[in-house]
Amino acid sequence: DAGVIQSPRHEVTEMGQEVTLRCKPISGHDYLFWYRQTMMRGLELLIYFNNNVPIDDSGMPEDRFSAKMPNASFSTLKIQPSEPRDSAVYFCASNRGIDGELFFGEGSRLTVL
Amino acid sequence: AQSVTQLDSQVPVFEEAPVELRCNYSSSVSVYLFWYVQYPNQGLQLLLKYLSGSTLVKGINGFEAEFNKSQTSFHLRKPSVHISDTAEYFCAVSQYGGSQGNLIFGKGTKLSVKP
Repeated sequence: DAGVIQSPRHEVTEMGQEVTLRCKPISGHDYLFWYRQTMMRGLELLIYFNNNVPIDDSGMPEDRFSAKMPNASFSTLKIQPSEPRDSAVYFCASNRGIDGELFFGEGSRLTVL
Repeated sequence: AQSVTQLDSQVPVFEEAPVELRCNYSSSVSVYLFWYVQYPNQGLQLLLKYLSGSTLVKGINGFEAEFNKSQTSFHLRKPSVHISDTAEYFCAVSQYGGSQGNLIFGKGTKLSVKP
């Protein structure tokens, strides 16, 4: 079975540009999570969905960030406009919500110049 | 609400030496406990988990962890480390029986194995 798939793996963009990160969760997983990892702040939960519905977005830094899950097999995290401080590795993860075990993607490394 | 504390941000150790990475948690309810490992430039992968039963849990790559309810700890151990164990290790907790499905992570411990 394929794991969580994220794209792009690397993204370099200029300040002010729109960035869209994509995620395909594991089939059958009802929960999808977006995390951000930086040296300074470690691993932060940004938002998570249950059955495609956003449950908790309290970790989203500000209005420049938005996330959607139009169907059970696809989610996007969008940053518009991007800023240098958004540079980080963004992870998508999914699970069935039974015991909490998370399955992570390889991450999308974002660099905003 | 749950929280996780990893007491050491960095642990340097020589190859073939034993290692213990410490993790304490706080929760008012029963929990599930996890250790994840992150190798450089990779995502997190599950090392081991405690759901119930035996308090000594064995994971991949020779790691094990012991759940101690009275001390609210879940320390990770390996009797003899290898250079390839150099990575960052994250302890995490989720609420037993909770419907949220989300994990609370510690800030991570960087294990550096030197020859």
